[in-house]
Amino acid sequence: DGGITQSPKYLFRKEGQNVTLSCEQNLNHDAMYWYRQDPGQGLRLIYYSQIVNDFQKGDIAEGYSVSREKKESFPLTVTSAQKNPTAFYLCASSIELVRNQPQHFGDGTRLSIL
Amino acid sequence: GNSVTQMEGPVTLSEEAFLTINCTYTATGYPSLFWYVQYPGEGLQLLLKATKADDKGSNKGFEATYRKETTSFHLEKGSVQVSDSAVYFCALSVLYSGGGADGLTFGKGTHLIIQP
Repeated sequence: DGGITQSPKYLFRKEGQNVTLSCEQNLNHDAMYWYRQDPGQGLRLIYYSQIVNDFQKGDIAEGYSVSREKKESFPLTVTSAQKNPTAFYLCASSIELVRNQPQHFGDGTRLSIL
Repeated sequence: GNSVTQMEGPVTLSEEAFLTINCTYTATGYPSLFWYVQYPGEGLQLLLKATKADDKGSNKGFEATYRKETTSFHLEKGSVQVSDSAVYFCALSVLYSGGGADGLTFGKGTHLIIQP
């Protein structure tokens, strides 16, 4: 079955450490997204990518970085500059970056600070 | 900017009750509107969508109508089940005048609890 795979499901980070969250999709979608979910905050857009080798900052990009070297992969790095990284991170994809295309979500990665 | 406002939860109902979850929005472009559902420990699943004014989205007994005049997209279901217990998110995506779009703007979510 086609879908989005996020790994790991749980991740722990030490202070001052960078960590990378994996997101892979086999839906042949052009657009991919990263969201952060905090309790009572809904989801907020971190980065999005319309096509390979292109990505744009979302609403809360500071302290995060991404790459899009392959169509099916959109990894997110949480850097040490992100002072409050504890959250649930969701990756999504859509056929293309247009307003009426629904996004398909992975099952998320929960990041915690040791 | 764009924003979505949902009613605060948790919303607790008995099985077979009528459900309404209010959602209103502000948008600078031409929005499409979505409802997503999230079960515990999982990602979001698309429940329904509407892409233009007066469209009605429907799925699994849930309905929502895109009301441009009141900038609303309220979610309704006539008879809820215990299995409907989840968090529901209203969201919008906007087409800008230059033809571009970006990610979804979400409401904060409404936790729905259905009791047997």
